[in-house]
Amino acid sequence: EVQLVESGGVVVQPGGSLRLSCAASGFTFDDYTMHWVRQAPGKGLEWVSLITWDGGRSYYADSVKGRFTISRDNSKNSLYLQMNSLRTDDTAFYYCTKDMGAHVSFDYWGQGTLVTVSS
Amino acid sequence: EIVMTQSPATLSVSPGERATLSCRASQSVSSNLAWYQQKPGLAPRLLIYGAFTRATGIPARFSGSGSGTEFTLTINSLQSEDFAVYYCQQYSSWPPLTFGGGTKVEIK
Repeated sequence: EVQLVESGGVVVQPGGSLRLSCAASGFTFDDYTMHWVRQAPGKGLEWVSLITWDGGRSYYADSVKGRFTISRDNSKNSLYLQMNSLRTDDTAFYYCTKDMGAHVSFDYWGQGTLVTVSS
Repeated sequence: EIVMTQSPATLSVSPGERATLSCRASQSVSSNLAWYQQKPGLAPRLLIYGAFTRATGIPARFSGSGSGTEFTLTINSLQSEDFAVYYCQQYSSWPPLTFGGGTKVEIK
């Protein structure tokens, strides 16, 4: 059974930093691109970032480019999101998602972790 | 960036009836479109990819159609568990991967 478990969501002040983690199991982690997708409370879905299977390439939404860094450790079956210079509009549930492979869509999602940026 | 527009924002349907949800892309995405269902307090679930292929375990009452810029998600004979928010997502041209704003299917 595929499982994605996020952690690291907390309340942080504007301008602060945070690292989210996602522990993956139930599939061959290093075969797949992985993503972060976020959802502000009561709002729609926003893709944040992806990283290829080997960590060789990563891409970001313009809203987070230069502030967030995605990474992975295939030896630990883990995905990360380093978030710097946080802003109030970064407040959201952050979901770790698995890429389908042939289709760049999200076939498995974690339960989400809430990041609140507030003074 | 490809902008995805979903309509209507809210759809009121009686149980057992059919729901038809629309998704429009600002430029052609071919068949590179997925649909997701999200229930309150839960993560989204993949329903459809490739515009019309049901994901594993998705009931046959869910069907996707369309290509290019116009897409439809049809839910036949709505069940109580189908009342949720539905999102479309394009993966034709990225980054960024983009979602529609969602359609809430509520009980009439």
